[in-house]
Amino acid sequence: RKEVEQDPGPFNVPEGATVAFNCTYSNSASQSFFWYRQDCRKEPKLLMSVYSSGNEDGRFTAQLNRASQYISLLIRDSKLSDSATYLCVVSPGTYKYIFGTGTRLKVLA
Amino acid sequence: DADVTQTPRNRITKTGKRIMLECSQTKGHDRMYWYRQDPGLGLRLIYYSFDVKDINKGEISDGYSVSRQAQAKFSLSLESAIPNQTALYFCATSDRIDQPQHFGDGTRLSIL
Repeated sequence: RKEVEQDPGPFNVPEGATVAFNCTYSNSASQSFFWYRQDCRKEPKLLMSVYSSGNEDGRFTAQLNRASQYISLLIRDSKLSDSATYLCVVSPGTYKYIFGTGTRLKVLA
Repeated sequence: DADVTQTPRNRITKTGKRIMLECSQTKGHDRMYWYRQDPGLGLRLIYYSFDVKDINKGEISDGYSVSRQAQAKFSLSLESAIPNQTALYFCATSDRIDQPQHFGDGTRLSIL
Protein backbone atom coordinates (compact mmCIF):
# COMPACT_ATOMS: atom_id res chain seq x y z
CA ARG A 1 0.00 0.00 0.00
CA LYS A 2 1.32 3.46 -0.87
CA GLU A 3 1.96 5.82 2.02
CA VAL A 4 -0.17 8.52 0.39
CA GLU A 5 -2.78 7.71 -2.23
CA GLN A 6 -4.77 9.95 -4.52
CA ASP A 7 -7.19 9.28 -7.35
CA PRO A 8 -5.23 10.43 -10.42
CA GLY A 9 -8.38 11.64 -12.23
CA PRO A 10 -8.83 13.55 -14.40
CA PHE A 11 -11.85 15.16 -12.85
CA ASN A 12 -13.59 17.07 -15.63
CA VAL A 13 -16.07 19.58 -14.24
CA PRO A 14 -17.92 22.57 -15.71
CA GLU A 15 -17.20 26.08 -14.57
CA GLY A 16 -19.07 26.91 -11.41
CA ALA A 17 -19.23 23.33 -10.20
CA THR A 18 -18.15 22.08 -6.80
CA VAL A 19 -15.55 19.33 -6.79
CA ALA A 20 -13.92 17.37 -4.00
CA PHE A 21 -10.77 15.27 -3.81
CA ASN A 22 -9.72 12.85 -1.13
CA CYS A 23 -6.27 11.68 -0.16
CA THR A 24 -5.64 8.69 2.11
CA TYR A 25 -2.51 8.14 4.17
CA SER A 26 -1.23 4.97 5.82
CA ASN A 27 0.79 6.26 8.78
CA SER A 28 -1.54 6.98 11.66
CA ALA A 29 1.22 8.98 13.38
CA SER A 30 1.22 11.58 10.60
CA GLN A 31 1.30 15.06 12.01
CA SER A 32 1.09 17.67 9.28
CA PHE A 33 -0.92 17.83 6.10
CA PHE A 34 -0.85 20.11 3.09
CA TRP A 35 -2.45 20.61 -0.28
CA TYR A 36 -0.32 21.89 -3.15
CA ARG A 37 -1.26 22.90 -6.64
CA GLN A 38 1.01 22.06 -9.56
CA ASP A 39 0.60 23.37 -13.07
CA CYS A 40 2.06 21.36 -15.92
CA ARG A 41 5.85 21.00 -15.51
CA LYS A 42 5.98 23.83 -12.97
CA GLU A 43 6.87 23.82 -9.31
CA PRO A 44 4.34 22.76 -6.65
CA LYS A 45 2.81 25.76 -4.91
CA LEU A 46 1.27 25.62 -1.48
CA LEU A 47 -2.50 25.89 -1.64
CA MET A 48 -3.22 25.42 2.03
CA SER A 49 -2.20 23.62 5.16
CA VAL A 50 -4.80 21.31 6.66
CA TYR A 51 -5.68 21.76 10.31
CA SER A 52 -7.41 19.30 12.60
CA SER A 53 -10.54 21.41 12.84
CA GLY A 54 -10.71 21.97 9.10
CA ASN A 55 -10.01 25.26 7.41
CA GLU A 56 -11.23 27.40 4.59
CA ASP A 57 -9.54 29.85 2.26
CA GLY A 58 -11.98 31.54 -0.07
CA ARG A 59 -13.44 28.89 -2.36
CA PHE A 60 -11.22 26.16 -0.95
CA THR A 61 -11.99 24.05 2.10
CA ALA A 62 -9.71 21.41 3.59
CA GLN A 63 -10.71 18.74 6.07
CA LEU A 64 -8.80 16.14 8.06
CA ASN A 65 -10.31 12.86 9.20
CA ARG A 66 -7.80 11.17 11.49
CA ALA A 67 -10.04 8.21 12.29
CA SER A 68 -10.29 7.22 8.64
CA GLN A 69 -6.87 8.62 7.75
CA TYR A 70 -7.73 10.89 4.92
CA ILE A 71 -7.73 14.55 4.04
CA SER A 72 -10.02 16.24 1.58
CA LEU A 73 -10.06 19.35 -0.57
CA LEU A 74 -13.30 20.96 -1.69
CA ILE A 75 -13.33 23.58 -4.41
CA ARG A 76 -16.49 25.61 -4.82
CA ASP A 77 -17.48 27.67 -7.86
CA SER A 78 -14.70 26.19 -10.00
CA LYS A 79 -12.85 28.52 -12.33
CA LEU A 80 -11.00 27.70 -15.53
CA SER A 81 -7.85 28.80 -13.72
CA ASP A 82 -8.33 26.04 -11.14
CA SER A 83 -7.32 23.49 -13.79
CA ALA A 84 -4.16 21.90 -12.42
CA THR A 85 -2.88 18.87 -10.55
CA TYR A 86 -3.52 18.89 -6.81
CA LEU A 87 -0.92 17.20 -4.64
CA CYS A 88 -1.58 15.88 -1.18
CA VAL A 89 1.43 16.03 1.15
CA VAL A 90 1.71 14.30 4.51
CA SER A 91 4.44 14.63 7.09
CA PRO A 92 4.87 11.92 9.72
CA GLY A 93 6.74 14.37 11.90
CA THR A 94 10.25 13.19 11.17
CA TYR A 95 12.42 14.57 8.40
CA LYS A 96 10.31 13.93 5.40
CA TYR A 97 7.29 14.96 3.46
CA ILE A 98 5.42 12.27 1.56
CA PHE A 99 3.80 13.32 -1.69
CA GLY A 100 0.84 11.79 -3.41
CA THR A 101 1.05 11.45 -7.17
CA GLY A 102 -1.66 14.07 -7.59
CA THR A 103 -5.23 14.46 -8.80
CA ARG A 104 -5.71 16.18 -12.10
CA LEU A 105 -8.56 18.67 -12.41
CA LYS A 106 -9.88 20.10 -15.65
CA VAL A 107 -12.46 22.84 -15.43
CA LEU A 108 -14.41 23.12 -18.67
CA ALA A 109 -15.97 26.26 -20.14
CA ASP B 1 12.78 37.90 -6.84
CA ALA B 2 12.06 34.27 -6.14
CA ASP B 3 12.68 33.04 -2.60
CA VAL B 4 14.10 29.73 -3.86
CA THR B 5 16.17 29.94 -7.03
CA GLN B 6 17.39 27.02 -9.10
CA THR B 7 19.95 27.12 -11.88
CA PRO B 8 19.99 26.11 -14.63
CA ARG B 9 16.30 26.02 -15.56
CA ASN B 10 16.93 23.64 -18.44
CA ARG B 11 19.88 21.45 -19.32
CA ILE B 12 20.51 18.92 -22.05
CA THR B 13 23.67 16.88 -21.76
CA LYS B 14 25.23 13.58 -22.71
CA THR B 15 25.65 10.32 -20.87
CA GLY B 16 28.74 10.28 -18.68
CA LYS B 17 28.96 14.02 -18.12
CA ARG B 18 29.16 15.55 -14.66
CA ILE B 19 26.36 17.97 -13.94
CA MET B 20 25.70 20.32 -11.06
CA LEU B 21 22.33 21.80 -10.22
CA GLU B 22 22.33 24.72 -7.86
CA CYS B 23 19.80 25.99 -5.39
CA SER B 24 19.87 29.16 -3.33
CA GLN B 25 17.27 30.57 -0.98
CA THR B 26 16.54 33.85 0.74
CA LYS B 27 13.93 32.49 3.15
CA GLY B 28 16.41 31.88 5.95
CA HIS B 29 15.30 28.26 6.31
CA ASP B 30 17.68 25.67 7.70
CA ARG B 31 16.10 22.69 5.96
CA MET B 32 16.75 22.12 2.27
CA TYR B 33 15.73 19.24 0.04
CA TRP B 34 16.32 17.91 -3.46
CA TYR B 35 13.58 15.98 -5.27
CA ARG B 36 13.08 14.53 -8.69
CA GLN B 37 9.73 14.21 -10.37
CA ASP B 38 8.90 11.66 -13.03
CA PRO B 39 5.51 11.27 -14.70
CA GLY B 40 3.18 9.11 -12.63
CA LEU B 41 5.63 8.74 -9.75
CA GLY B 42 5.25 11.95 -7.82
CA LEU B 43 8.13 13.67 -6.09
CA ARG B 44 10.88 11.47 -4.70
CA LEU B 45 13.45 12.64 -2.19
CA ILE B 46 17.09 12.47 -3.27
CA TYR B 47 18.91 14.24 -0.40
CA TYR B 48 18.06 16.55 2.44
CA SER B 49 20.01 18.79 4.78
CA PHE B 50 19.06 20.33 8.10
CA ASP B 51 22.13 22.56 8.30
CA VAL B 52 25.57 22.93 6.76
CA LYS B 53 26.98 19.96 8.66
CA ASP B 54 23.93 17.72 8.44
CA ILE B 55 23.36 16.00 5.09
CA ASN B 56 21.29 12.88 4.64
CA LYS B 57 20.35 10.49 1.90
CA GLY B 58 16.78 10.27 0.75
CA GLU B 59 15.04 7.35 -0.89
CA ILE B 60 16.84 7.57 -4.27
CA SER B 61 20.34 8.93 -3.59
CA ASP B 62 22.31 6.47 -5.76
CA GLY B 63 24.09 8.29 -8.56
CA TYR B 64 23.76 11.67 -6.86
CA SER B 65 25.78 13.72 -4.41
CA VAL B 66 25.15 17.03 -2.69
CA SER B 67 27.01 19.90 -1.11
CA ARG B 68 25.65 22.40 1.40
CA GLN B 69 27.99 25.32 0.89
CA ALA B 70 26.14 27.66 3.21
CA GLN B 71 22.80 27.89 4.92
CA ALA B 72 21.38 29.41 1.76
CA LYS B 73 22.99 27.13 -0.84
CA PHE B 74 22.48 23.46 -1.59
CA SER B 75 23.86 21.88 -4.76
CA LEU B 76 23.05 18.56 -6.37
CA SER B 77 25.59 16.76 -8.54
CA LEU B 78 25.26 13.91 -10.97
CA GLU B 79 28.79 12.51 -11.13
CA SER B 80 28.29 10.55 -14.34
CA ALA B 81 24.89 11.20 -15.84
CA ILE B 82 22.80 8.40 -17.29
CA PRO B 83 19.61 8.63 -19.36
CA ASN B 84 17.29 7.41 -16.59
CA GLN B 85 18.24 10.49 -14.60
CA THR B 86 16.27 12.52 -17.11
CA ALA B 87 13.63 14.19 -14.96
CA LEU B 88 12.35 17.40 -13.47
CA TYR B 89 14.38 18.34 -10.39
CA PHE B 90 13.14 20.53 -7.58
CA CYS B 91 14.83 22.13 -4.64
CA ALA B 92 12.71 22.93 -1.60
CA THR B 93 13.15 24.56 1.79
CA SER B 94 11.24 24.46 5.03
CA ASP B 95 11.45 26.12 8.40
CA ARG B 96 10.25 23.21 10.53
CA ILE B 97 8.80 19.79 9.73
CA ASP B 98 5.29 20.96 10.63
CA GLN B 99 5.58 23.83 8.18
CA PRO B 100 5.08 23.56 4.42
CA GLN B 101 7.89 23.38 1.95
CA HIS B 102 8.67 26.09 -0.58
CA PHE B 103 9.87 25.04 -4.00
CA GLY B 104 12.18 26.47 -6.59
CA ASP B 105 11.09 26.75 -10.21
CA GLY B 106 12.68 23.42 -11.09
CA THR B 107 15.36 22.23 -13.48
CA ARG B 108 14.41 20.23 -16.55
CA LEU B 109 17.29 17.84 -17.14
CA SER B 110 17.60 15.69 -20.25
CA ILE B 111 20.42 13.19 -20.60
CA LEU B 112 20.98 11.80 -24.06
